[in-house]
Amino acid sequence: QSVLTQPPSASGTPGQRVTISCSGSSSNIGSNTVNWYQQLPGAAPKLLIYSNNQRPSGVPDRFSGSKSGTSASLAISGLQSEDEADYYCAAWDDSLNAYVFGTGTKVTVL
Amino acid sequence: QVQLVQSGAEVKKPGASVKVSCKASDYTFSRSSIGWVRQAPGQGLEWMGWISGYTGNTNYEQKLQGRVTMTTDTSTSTAYMELRSLRSDDTAVYYCGRAIAASGLYYFDYWGQGTLVTVSS
Repeated sequence: QSVLTQPPSASGTPGQRVTISCSGSSSNIGSNTVNWYQQLPGAAPKLLIYSNNQRPSGVPDRFSGSKSGTSASLAISGLQSEDEADYYCAAWDDSLNAYVFGTGTKVTVL
Repeated sequence: QVQLVQSGAEVKKPGASVKVSCKASDYTFSRSSIGWVRQAPGQGLEWMGWISGYTGNTNYEQKLQGRVTMTTDTSTSTAYMELRSLRSDDTAVYYCGRAIAASGLYYFDYWGQGTLVTVSS
């Protein structure tokens, strides 16, 4: 049972903006940085955003992250067909002494 | 380019043990941690723990305590994850990842390709 809650699905047409939410608590998002991972079908996860809003080298600036209080969001602007994947938020949880992942959101490009 | 290459798929019987390896290259192994994450079929990601390549200190997910052991061999830049007393619900793809776990920052920046472990009688 994940302590970070995400919507199970999100969708948009090419070029649209899609936003994915991640809801946590004071022991995880509220006190630690949030990361986002993209998992393409049949592939290993890939780091998309770290430290709330930082993009690793090579990640397009269409992807952006933000955090406010105990929630975080990932925005994908200019949606493309290759963005169709599962997206997971994650953060350290001080109470559980564990790194926790969100429930995951499947993004579909219509 | 950082690379993590994992060992091949395994099929085990309930009660047995499995040991998955993760060979790192193109970075200083002892300066980072290696973590393990698993994904059951059709399910989300589950953190299992990580080990410091520098100190060898480990941090395991509480519910796996007593069944999991993570180790490293700095001479070959290889990390290992052993899971004992396997059950059917341990069937999953197991991923290793280079972990940043210090100074308030926690994340995986590079991942292995995954190792499928199937537990079946």
